[in-house]
Amino acid sequence: GENVEQHPSTLSVQEGDSAVIKCTYSDSASNYFPWYKQELGKRPQLIIDIRSNVGEKKDQRIAVTLNKTAKHFSLHITETQPEDSAVYFCAASMAGTASKLTFGTGTRLQVTL
Amino acid sequence: NAGVTQTPKFRVLKTGQSMTLLCAQDMNHEYMYWYRQDPGMGLRLIHYSVGEGTTAKGEVPDGYNVSRLKKQNFLLGLESAAPSQTSVYFCASSYASISNQPQHFGDGTRLSIL
Repeated sequence: GENVEQHPSTLSVQEGDSAVIKCTYSDSASNYFPWYKQELGKRPQLIIDIRSNVGEKKDQRIAVTLNKTAKHFSLHITETQPEDSAVYFCAASMAGTASKLTFGTGTRLQVTL
Repeated sequence: NAGVTQTPKFRVLKTGQSMTLLCAQDMNHEYMYWYRQDPGMGLRLIHYSVGEGTTAKGEVPDGYNVSRLKKQNFLLGLESAAPSQTSVYFCASSYASISNQPQHFGDGTRLSIL
């Protein structure tokens, strides 16, 4: 089955700096890659996703890039703010699999003042 | 429109007891999922359903059973709870489509087995 590795496990940045979280996947058939943000004690919430026919996608301060050849994708957060502090999860899914997701192990992002 | 609702929010059980977690969605989604979340291990799929009356095993199905008698509800059962099942359980749902669709999560159920 699919395996998703996520790095780093923890990340601390100063407010205003950029943060980058990287994930690799094992199955070249995966074609959908969402990112979820989970605040302490809350539900995971989708913040951005990308499909394999696109190399990059942006939404305000958040962007995701995908390298299908290397089988890795990354989340980029610019101009970080304290409210960006949370755990971020990447995931991968293949077409025809009932949208089942395989998640990475998460990155705890702390934005300090 | 409540989205995905899970009940209960918290529960403490003794080893060997049984219980059922309820997930309800009002978005008319075909697909529903149960995950468990443990520290440092992300979310792992327990069971899922592609429609009313259907269920299938996920990555970690042992010790759990599920039922989808109505499209809007997906039940997760523990027949004989074990301490290893202490976890936070999340339910999610999504539209059925040829291309994968985002999953929408409930608020979770925090379950402790003593």
